[in-house]
Amino acid sequence: DAGITQSPRYKITETGRQVTLMCHQTWSHSYMFWYRQDLGHGLRLIYYSAAADITDKGEVPDGYVVSRSKTENFPLTLESATRSQTSVYFCASSPHSRTPGGNIQYFGAGTRLSVL
Amino acid sequence: DQQVKQNSPSLSVQEGRISILNCDYTNSMFDYFLWYKKYPAEGPTFLISISSIKDKNEDGRFTVFLNKSAKHLSLHIVPSQPGDSAVYFCAASERNTPLVFGKGTRLSVIA
Repeated sequence: DAGITQSPRYKITETGRQVTLMCHQTWSHSYMFWYRQDLGHGLRLIYYSAAADITDKGEVPDGYVVSRSKTENFPLTLESATRSQTSVYFCASSPHSRTPGGNIQYFGAGTRLSVL
Repeated sequence: DQQVKQNSPSLSVQEGRISILNCDYTNSMFDYFLWYKKYPAEGPTFLISISSIKDKNEDGRFTVFLNKSAKHLSLHIVPSQPGDSAVYFCAASERNTPLVFGKGTRLSVIA
């Protein structure tokens, strides 16, 4: 399917477990982003990537790890999940630009993660 | 410190009337502004944008106004329809930085 897809859509895990959320886009967009959405906070940027093997921290990176070995994939790993990481996670991508904010971002459908 | 503020968590409007969603920002270096719409259980979708060199951008029923001196932008929806009921996020960026989002405003259009 064309576009940006996230998997799984729903995930329940336990405190201390490692969990990886997947994001795949078929547009060959240079930029990819991970956000979390929490009540009262809106969308907060976790990490972003300008290209393969280039990643940068966002507003709330602690407890998360990202990698980008291929342009189309941008997985987000919670190395040791905590209850505070219960949230809805959105992946997004945008076309090449000199600046990561200058182009429209296209979002996936989200992953709802519950950490018990 | 919130750089993009949507001070109204919710808004109710009658079908056919105008909906006005407001957004304030504090960073004078922001030069690109966007509005996204989000339905439950879906990702945000791009609605309309405006560059800082303009003060108005229109797309069908949606118009965004930018007042740089007041650091304020607004989204007007005319006429409002029940399908417009969603959460609307305002976002802004400056060169070399990712988008910064507001907390969102939930719009309910009542038939």
